[in-house]
Amino acid sequence: EVQVVESGGGLVQPGGSLRLSCAASGFTFSVYRMSWVRQAPGKGLEWVANIKYDGSEKDYADSVKGRFTISRDNGKSSVYLQMNSLRAEDTAIYYCARVWRGYLDCWGQGTLVTVSS
Amino acid sequence: EIVLTQSPGTLSLSPGERATLSCRASQTISSNYLAWYQQKPGQAPRLLIYGASSRATDIPDRFRGSGSGTDFTLTISRLEPEDFAVYYCQQYDTSSFGGGTRVEIK
Repeated sequence: EVQVVESGGGLVQPGGSLRLSCAASGFTFSVYRMSWVRQAPGKGLEWVANIKYDGSEKDYADSVKGRFTISRDNGKSSVYLQMNSLRAEDTAIYYCARVWRGYLDCWGQGTLVTVSS
Repeated sequence: EIVLTQSPGTLSLSPGERATLSCRASQTISSNYLAWYQQKPGQAPRLLIYGASSRATDIPDRFRGSGSGTDFTLTISRLEPEDFAVYYCQQYDTSSFGGGTRVEIK
């Protein structure tokens, strides 16, 4: 079964850091681009970051550029999101998704990040 | 940046009725790089349509995507009880989502 499972969410203070992980299984992870998408409580979807299959290219939304870093370990079939200088507006469910030809064809169940003092 | 505007914000319909959802882009989306997703409460989004009109795996044929350029439509021919949800369009040329349309039971 093709699936991705996120972990690492939690409560963090403003200005703090958190690292999210996404473990993939059921497909050849190393040939797929991967994305992170977030959803603030009661709001819509916001694309956060993409990483190419080999990690050679990374793209970020303007709202997180310079604060968040996406990375991957193909040996562990995992993608990560390092989040620094967190703000209240970063509070959201963070979804990991597999990218196929640009669209997101497999989503995890998400991990909740709450930024609050 | 390509901005996607979805309308209406909420659609109130009865089971068996037809739903027509609109997604308008602020500039032409190349190669029809437009997808639709369905999200139910407490669940992750699910891919319905890609390439503006191709149904994803296991998506029933009552879901139909159409359009090109800047105007796209998702049509649900006859609403089933499980179709009441929020629907998002996404352009994956530069990656952005619309604000969503909620389809609720009238």
